[in-house]
Amino acid sequence: QVQLVQSGAEVKKSGASVKVSCKASGYMFSAYHVHWVRQAPGQGLEWMGWINSDSGATKYTQKFQGRVTVTRDTSITTVYMEVSSLRFDDTAVYYCVRISRGNFWFDAWGQGTLVTVSS
Amino acid sequence: QSALTQPASVSGSPGQSITISCTGTSSDVESYNLVSWYQQHPGNAPKLMIYDDTKRPSGISSRFSGSKSGNTASLTISGLQAEDEADYYCFSYADSSIWVFGGGTKLTV
Repeated sequence: QVQLVQSGAEVKKSGASVKVSCKASGYMFSAYHVHWVRQAPGQGLEWMGWINSDSGATKYTQKFQGRVTVTRDTSITTVYMEVSSLRFDDTAVYYCVRISRGNFWFDAWGQGTLVTVSS
Repeated sequence: QSALTQPASVSGSPGQSITISCTGTSSDVESYNLVSWYQQHPGNAPKLMIYDDTKRPSGISSRFSGSKSGNTASLTISGLQAEDEADYYCFSYADSSIWVFGGGTKLTV
């Protein structure tokens, strides 16, 4: 079955970086793009950016330009999302999410990864 | 790209109908028939309820329907049930390969 399995919870210091992985299985990796969405505690969903699983092209919302990097390793069908220069307000659950090529809605979600930024 | 505008909360009694609005701009909601809606219960990942403005995925109750007029999309839930109590988010494609969420609406039944 379709699965997006994310890496475990992280605790990082302010100013550090964190890299979250998302292992895809159960489907043709290149046929679906992967997006990243985050949710701060008690807050709403926030779209961060996405990667074309086939070409590797990326796009980020302006807020995260220069601070978020999404990459993929097609050999192990895994997508990575790295956030640098972490701030306290980056504390959130980070989700990887799948969109089929040609579609515009999320049809599968990872389980989420809690990233906590502390002093 | 600014977030789409949703009411912070709506409420209704069992059996009633409610509508949640999602207001965007000419760069997103108005220009594309690509609004989707997600339901999120506490502690869970969101679940797709409506896509492409009005389409319902298989397995989603016909009590859920989507519509759009101009720059405002809407989610209507008829015959409210206790299990519909959740947070609801709209989501739209915008220009230049960017997507945007609404701020979310807490539905109380």
